[in-house]
Order: sequence, then C-alpha cells, then structure tokens
Amino acid sequence: DAGVIQSPRHEVTEMGQEVTLRCKPISGHDYLFWYRQTMMRGLELLIYFNNNVPIDDSGMPEDRFSAKMPNASFSTLKIQPSEPRDSAVYFCASSFLRPDTQYFGPGTRLTVL
Amino acid sequence: AQKITQTQPGMFVQEKEAVTLDCTYDTSDPSYGLFWYKQPSSGEMIFLIYQGSYDQQNATEGRYSLNFQKARKSANLVISASQLGDSAMYFCAMREARMDSNYQLIWGAGTKLIIKP
Repeated sequence: DAGVIQSPRHEVTEMGQEVTLRCKPISGHDYLFWYRQTMMRGLELLIYFNNNVPIDDSGMPEDRFSAKMPNASFSTLKIQPSEPRDSAVYFCASSFLRPDTQYFGPGTRLTVL
Repeated sequence: AQKITQTQPGMFVQEKEAVTLDCTYDTSDPSYGLFWYKQPSSGEMIFLIYQGSYDQQNATEGRYSLNFQKARKSANLVISASQLGDSAMYFCAMREARMDSNYQLIWGAGTKLIIKP
C-alpha cells in the first residue's frame, strides 16, 4: 500500500516567491495534518482537516500561510510570499477514524533564500 | 510545564544490546494516548507503537515494546536486540482526549540514538 505522498521532496526558492507543497494522504484516511519541523521549534502542527474540512488552523503562523483540501486525496499548503524564516521541513500526515495514530509522508525540505 | 519530557538528548548503544528510551508525561486527563515515532537521518517520521491509557497490557510491536507505568507517568520505549538501522531520532508524543486538545499530538524533544557496531 502506498503511504502518504508529498511533493516536491526539496524546494529551494527566493524570498517573496510563492511556494506550494502538495500531499496525497493514504487512501481511506479521513484526517490530514500539516506539520512544520525546525531545529529550534521541533514539530509544530499547522493545520488539520477532517473529511476535507479544516478543523483547527490555530497553528498557521501567519496569513501568508494557507491550506486547502479540495478532495479526500489531495491537499496543498501554500506560502505567499515566502520568507527565509519559513525554511523548514514540512510534513503531511494522515490517519483513519482516530486522529491520533498518524502516518507521515517523507516531508518537503523547503529552503527560502 | 513540559507535557512530554525525554531526558536523554543522545544515547550510544552497542549493537545487539537492548535499549530503553525514556519518556515521562504530564496530564490530568484520564484518557490519553502515547506514541513513539522514529525519524532516521533520511527525515521521514515512522510510527512505531501506541499505548492507550486504559490498555491493560504494555504494547508490543516486534522488537519494540512500551514500558507503560501509569502511576509514574512513564512510557519508555524498549528496543530489543538493537541493530545498526535503529540509529535515528526517537520522539515520544501524547494525545489528550479532552475536547479542547483538538487532537493535537504533544511532542517530546526527541532522543538521538546511535547504535555502535
């Protein structure tokens, strides 16, 4: 079975550019989570969806960040405009029924110059 | 106050020895779940094992077991017969069941485990 798929795996961009990260959850999973991991702050939950509906976006750092889940098999996290402090590894995770046993994708390493 | 504490920032262990990674937690919620994840140098987060607060038995998954001591609020991960491939960061996490937790996992700072050949 395919796990959580994220693309791209690496992204290097310049400050001010728009960045779009993509995620395909495990088929049948009804919860989807976006996390950010940095050395300084560890793993931070940005937003999570249940049945494609955003439930809690309190972790989204600023209005520059937005996330969508147009259907059960696809989600995007967009940063516009990007800043160097957004450099991090962004993980997508999904789970089924219970929102706690989460299965993570490989992550997208974002570098904003 | 820290809700999840992993007191060992790093550990070196000889191959084939058993390893215990410490995790203590703090919650007043009677219903909660505890998780361990592994993050190898390649970066992915791999779910290892889960223990529910009402589970009577300690969770086991292959070489992984969770030494759950509820009264001490301890959920240590035990890896038997360590292998070189066990070298990674290990994270302990907790989910509280109360409504305002919003199902967020609370993460520890992690322990970097290095297995020596």
